[in-house]
Formats: sequence, structure tokens, C-alpha cells
Amino acid sequence: SQTIHQWPATLVQPVGSPLSLECTVEGTSNPNLYWYRQAAGRGLQLLFYSVGIGQISSEVPQNLSASRPQDRQFILSSKKLLLSDSGFYLCAWKGGGDEQYFGPGTRLTVT
Amino acid sequence: AQTVTQSQPEMSVQEAETVTLSCTYDTSENNYYLFWYKQPPSRQMILVIRQEAYKQQNATENRFSVNFQKAAKSFSLKISDSQLGDTAMYFCAFIGLQGAQKLVFGQGTRLTINP
Repeated sequence: SQTIHQWPATLVQPVGSPLSLECTVEGTSNPNLYWYRQAAGRGLQLLFYSVGIGQISSEVPQNLSASRPQDRQFILSSKKLLLSDSGFYLCAWKGGGDEQYFGPGTRLTVT
Repeated sequence: AQTVTQSQPEMSVQEAETVTLSCTYDTSENNYYLFWYKQPPSRQMILVIRQEAYKQQNATENRFSVNFQKAAKSFSLKISDSQLGDTAMYFCAFIGLQGAQKLVFGQGTRLTINP
């Protein structure tokens, strides 16, 4: 069966520091992958999605970037974090019926 | 652009009662999927139920069922015999089958089941 992993689970970083969040999927090949951000008590905002290695589409222009160096690996990065980058970051992959399955998430606090 | 609207920010019911969460959406597409996701306090997003727009029959999954009204663009979730473990945020979501196929979420309904 397919599983999706995210790490770290929680992260506290100072303003201006770099960021790297990792997402990996097991049990499937060439999945569509997604990064979402969720502010406290709010819905999900799509940040990036990828249909294959090296293929990244950006939904929201900001100081975040994404990369897909391997088929089942999706990385969210920033060179310099802002306070507004705080939130809950979720990675997801798309199943055969167009549903999306989510990882456990990373809670990021920028101080 | 597609939009999803959940008009009930919060709901609260007693254990064992039935509760219905509302969702409306706007799209010009004819082929699409609709979903309900549950997000408990752990914040893990869990798929509850899925409905294909081309199917007239409403989807059911154990105690969860939907009332899909395509003409009205309405997609409500009914939870029967509610349990304490149903306490969570519930998100309605839409995905069109044309173009980039991006999942669009509503703002969520916070459901509390009281003992």
C-alpha cells in the first residue's frame, strides 16, 4: 500500500533562516505531488504541484520554492524565512480517482 | 475559476445524533469529483468520501453519506449516529477533470460531538 512521509514534524526557525521540508511517497511510481499550507483554523492553500521529476508548477508567488529531485521525493525550500511563512505544511499525492492523500504535515513556526 | 463554499463555520451536536454539513460549489465544468475530508486535532487530513459528478447515486461510506445535487451545485455530508471521534474540521473539496486538475478546498466546518 502507498504511504507518504513528511519531516520534520515540527520546526521552529528564526526569521531570515533557510528552510527545507521533505516529502517522500512509497508504494507508487510517478505520482502527482502537491504542497499545501494551512494557516491556523483556515482552509488549505495550494503552493506547488509536480507531475514529474523536475516539473514544478507554482500557484502562489512568494519566497518559497519547490523541487522534485527524484520520482517520489518533493522538497519545499526557502532561502530566507518570513514571519508570514509560519503555518502547517502538508504534502499530498494524487490517487487513481483524482483524490489526494495527505502526509502527516509539518508545523512550522518562524520566530 | 472554481470555488467551494462552506457556510457553517462551526457546528455542535450530541453523540448519536445525525448532523449534516453543507457545501456549495461553482464551476462551469461538467465532469468533476467532489470530496469530503476530515481533519482531527492531529491535523492529519483524512479522505472521508468521494462523489463522481457523472454518478446520480449518492456515495455512502458506513455512517457517512452525501446528498449530491448537481443542478444546484450542492454537496452536503450527513453523519449518522455521530461519535466522539467524529469531532474534527471537515473540508469540502472539488477537482475538475480539465486543465491542471487542482483540488480546491472550502474553508471548513468545525464539528464538535458532545458526550
